[in-house]
Amino acid sequence: GAGVSQSPSNKVTEKGKDVELRCDPISGHTALYWYRQRLGQGLEFLIYFQGNSAPDKSGLPSDRFSAERTGESVSTLTIQRTQQEDSAVYLCASSQDYYSPLHFGNGTRLTVT
Amino acid sequence: DAKTTQPTSMDCAEGRAANLPCNHSTISGNEYVYWYRQIHSQGPQYIIHGLKNNETNEMASLIITEDRKSSTLILPHATLRDTAVYYCIVRAVIQGAQKLVFGQGTRLTINP
Repeated sequence: GAGVSQSPSNKVTEKGKDVELRCDPISGHTALYWYRQRLGQGLEFLIYFQGNSAPDKSGLPSDRFSAERTGESVSTLTIQRTQQEDSAVYLCASSQDYYSPLHFGNGTRLTVT
Repeated sequence: DAKTTQPTSMDCAEGRAANLPCNHSTISGNEYVYWYRQIHSQGPQYIIHGLKNNETNEMASLIITEDRKSSTLILPHATLRDTAVYYCIVRAVIQGAQKLVFGQGTRLTINP
């Protein structure tokens, strides 16, 4: 079946511009996660959505970062006034519920010039 | 912080068993051990998880010590496609404790 889909796969933007990254989770998955991975580094948790509960935003690095999720479907991660240190691969994952394994997309590679 | 310790890198010959160790000496009673791997330019892929019993699936086996302070992921017949970074993660499977915290993992290289 279809996996987690992220778009765009690559995004180049100028410093100071806003960007929106999209994640389409696996159908029926109630939990959705965003992670960031800088070059050569491990995964850094950003935010987690579970059903209708309040999202866990504890990993968002600054108020320039925000994310929304429409019901149990698509999610968008927005970065305002991008900085060069925002350059990374942004990974989305979904899981059937809070205790099931995560399924990751292949990420959006963001480059801020 | 990631609550696990793994070797930075390992090598294994193609066709042999790859045994990847993980230390999680501070694991709590409600925490599971999960293994993921990340092949270059792809998102992490779930491999296997367990609580205290050994587990096996089509990809790998997971051996957890009786005191649960360490575990070993076994790829029984490694192929070149198993070259990847392997992450060992402990995770409490209770509502509200959802963050998987990824450490640096083990870079496994399968040699022909």
